[in-house]
Amino acid sequence: RKEVEQDPGPFNVPEGATVAFNCTYSNSASQSFFWYRQDCRKEPKLLMSVYSSGNEDGRFTAQLNRASQYISLLIRDSKLSDSATYLCVVNRYSSASKIIFGSGTRLSIRP
Amino acid sequence: GAGVSQSPRYKVAKRGQDVALRCDPISGHVSLFWYQQALGQGPEFLTYFQNEAQLDKSGLPSDRFFAERPEGSVSTLKIQRTQQEDSAVYLCASSPRGAQNEQYFGPGTRLTVT
Repeated sequence: RKEVEQDPGPFNVPEGATVAFNCTYSNSASQSFFWYRQDCRKEPKLLMSVYSSGNEDGRFTAQLNRASQYISLLIRDSKLSDSATYLCVVNRYSSASKIIFGSGTRLSIRP
Repeated sequence: GAGVSQSPRYKVAKRGQDVALRCDPISGHVSLFWYQQALGQGPEFLTYFQNEAQLDKSGLPSDRFFAERPEGSVSTLKIQRTQQEDSAVYLCASSPRGAQNEQYFGPGTRLTVT
């Protein structure tokens, strides 16, 4: 079993829709959590950190559920430009070292 | 400002050849990471430097893989006697002091071993 698991998708939704996807992690000692975005044939880019209290950045909301060991990302009013692969990232430590990426969830927004 | 750069962007090697992949991190970033990304997968951690010290190399898949960062800036990932399973995109990322989880990635080197 992978340490970080994501539904690979693809999620195909119309523009303006709300879409949510989850990520589960197996190591209960994990301390830091992030969502990265990766466009086709491009490098990953940090989208947002995920805090226990939940956090929002514009149309994006991230949630962490430590008890169930999952992280979620909600995208409201989706835009064509949101089409990408979303990578869930978990770090066991408060500082960097062993950072684990999920395989990613592909999202495609259609007009 | 300049981001992380990597060279070459594409490399085709015959099986058994040695290759060297270069990473220029963002100026002043103390942490540098190497990842391997296979098609359809997320990046897999290879190794981590803090300045010139290699603090974690647990992700290197075999002793054919070697990384260095002698002056705490530019880093080189070397793969000896390349095998077909080494074909992947090799990503380098750097992060600033105090924000090691905020990783800035380079465009990657796509290695194809024939």
